[in-house]
Amino acid sequence: GQNIDQPTEMTATEGAIVQINCTYQTSGFNGLFWYQQHAGEAPTFLSYNVLDGLEEKGRFSSFLSRSKGYSYLLLKELQMKDSASYLCAVYQAGTALIFGKGTTLSVSS
Amino acid sequence: EAQVTQNPRYLITVTGKKLTVTCSQNMNHEYMSWYRQDPGLGLRQIYYSMNVEVTDKGDVPEGYKVSRKEKRNFPLILESPSPNQTSLYFCASSLEGGGLAGGVPGNEQFFGPGTRLTVL
Repeated sequence: GQNIDQPTEMTATEGAIVQINCTYQTSGFNGLFWYQQHAGEAPTFLSYNVLDGLEEKGRFSSFLSRSKGYSYLLLKELQMKDSASYLCAVYQAGTALIFGKGTTLSVSS
Repeated sequence: EAQVTQNPRYLITVTGKKLTVTCSQNMNHEYMSWYRQDPGLGLRQIYYSMNVEVTDKGDVPEGYKVSRKEKRNFPLILESPSPNQTSLYFCASSLEGGGLAGGVPGNEQFFGPGTRLTVL
């Protein structure tokens, strides 16, 4: 079956670094997305990994290991506005984007 | 402005009264999809469409219908809504085709603002 696991909640303080893990077991794999979603709003694109390794984009980085079915999103220099849900999603070509249930990150001062 | 629009944004209706939620994108995207989002369950795909006149069921299609007569529009139809369809609905679109387009993954999905539906 299809399964994507993420921690439900995480907390961190401003200026810190946080790592949100995602493990997946899916019937197909053509890439992994991370989306950010603020409460009541639409998800917005953060990163995309299709090959193993680290993709860095400003304060955010995403890592993928296909052999381990594992990804993480790394957020540096946390700001209050980073309080949101972070969604891991596996892309299967020609069909669907399968989402995990999301990780709610709370950043405090 | 490139965007995905949904209407209505909020709707309260009663059981059994047919309704349609519209979705439109102006990016000439081939792929469009509908999701529902419920607390503790995350985003679940209802239906998707690879192109005009091509639609397929997602994970939770029961109670819903879709059509794709034009590339830009992908309406979601609830023929006889029930209270368990109370949810937050998102429409999304992407270029599809994989690879990169202008540095952005062709399969990145752009989401509409959401429609909050309550069925009494």
